[in-house]
Amino acid sequence: NAGVTQTPKFQVLKTGQSMTLQCAQDMNHNSMYWYRQDPGMGLRLIYYSASEGTTDKGEVPNGYNVSRLNKREFSLRLESAAPSQTSVYFCASSALTGYSNQPQHFGDGTRLSIL
Amino acid sequence: TQLLEQSPQFLSIQEGENLTVYCNSSSVFSSLQWYRQEPGEGPVLLVTVVTGGEVKKLKRLTFQFGDARKDSSLHITAAQPGDTGLYLCAGPRKVGANSKLTFGKGITLSVRP
Repeated sequence: NAGVTQTPKFQVLKTGQSMTLQCAQDMNHNSMYWYRQDPGMGLRLIYYSASEGTTDKGEVPNGYNVSRLNKREFSLRLESAAPSQTSVYFCASSALTGYSNQPQHFGDGTRLSIL
Repeated sequence: TQLLEQSPQFLSIQEGENLTVYCNSSSVFSSLQWYRQEPGEGPVLLVTVVTGGEVKKLKRLTFQFGDARKDSSLHITAAQPGDTGLYLCAGPRKVGANSKLTFGKGITLSVRP
């Protein structure tokens, strides 16, 4: 059971470079999320997709774009990477959004360093 | 302003000790979730508490939701090194038509053999 798969696991970029983080889930979930996790800051929501074809901003969307490619896949793009975007990025999915008891299933993260 | 405050931030204890950690808010939540995150991995859901005063047990872990649904506690009996990790509480917050999870900053627990 793969669950939520994120690629790559590690990446080092130079300031100004662009890259796309990939996420795929095999649980037939409707909703998908991108978070960043920084020391002392907890998990902060960047963007989410309540269902295929929709995306919405979270708490910290600046500098990022997302694409919900299909029901399985949700990608996060950094157009011009900045050192402040050095973080661990987590993708998550849940069966439905709008239902408060829905658990979220997380991938193992992408560790991104921007020099 | 952090909607969910977790305490203590860090805890280092000896194997076999008991401990209690907390997740507090000034807001009422319809439910709260607890996740555990091990190094190099993503968070994994441990439990969801829904009813005020509810107590749920998961082996040596006991979770309680406050009567007023503003806080929750996690008690671990006879801690084991395998309990080491980051414990996150999370609660849903209605934003527009959707409900999104807001997370506390987490409690880092280290259990020494």
